[in-house]
Amino acid sequence: GAVVSQHPSWVICKSGTSVKIECRSLDFQATTMFWYRQFPKQSLMLMATSNEGSKATYEQGVEKDKFLINHASLTLSTLTVTSAHPEDSSFYICSARFSGSIHKRSYNEQFFGPGTRLTVL
Amino acid sequence: EDKVVQSPLSLVVHEGDTVTLNCSYEVTNFRSLLWYKQEKKAPTFLFMLTSSGIEKKSGRLSSILDKKELFSILNITATQTGDSAVYLCAPTSGTYKYIFGTGTRLKVLA
Repeated sequence: GAVVSQHPSWVICKSGTSVKIECRSLDFQATTMFWYRQFPKQSLMLMATSNEGSKATYEQGVEKDKFLINHASLTLSTLTVTSAHPEDSSFYICSARFSGSIHKRSYNEQFFGPGTRLTVL
Repeated sequence: EDKVVQSPLSLVVHEGDTVTLNCSYEVTNFRSLLWYKQEKKAPTFLFMLTSSGIEKKSGRLSSILDKKELFSILNITATQTGDSAVYLCAPTSGTYKYIFGTGTRLKVLA
């Protein structure tokens, strides 16, 4: 199926610094990518929808100035956590929507990256 | 407000048992419902359900959707320790917004 990668896999940073997380679709183009956050033993919460070439759409309660999203190309979206604080420590997962065929199999769903574990000290 | 409730929250069974996981939802502009398995990292896709009453099967796993009663079930027969994971259901709202439930944590004992 379609493959999505994330970088880095985990990051530890000091409070007040900014952290950038990359999400790439490796073998398909994705006009729409999604960013989720998952706290321990909780479900995935959608943070924002990232659209190539336009502004991201943020979910209610998510600060757009704190979580900057850039979707500069059809294969790359980035999430920058600005001025990170310990409460931002979480597992961040991206997904990319793919609608089409790969190896004669049809898809119309989101494919998830492996996630990035952020720890803010 | 969109709502997804999964039950039970947690389940411990022995190998060979059959389990049924439930997902009820209230979602605006419902399009489909997906089931995912999450071990230590990102979720892996299991099923996408769009039509009521049509069972989807993949090996020991099967799932069905009831759009009238707004729920779905995921069955796992002859469970194995490798089935231990969190199972998430995600109805979709509109074209592609996924709304994840809290998940059911399944532990299969040898």
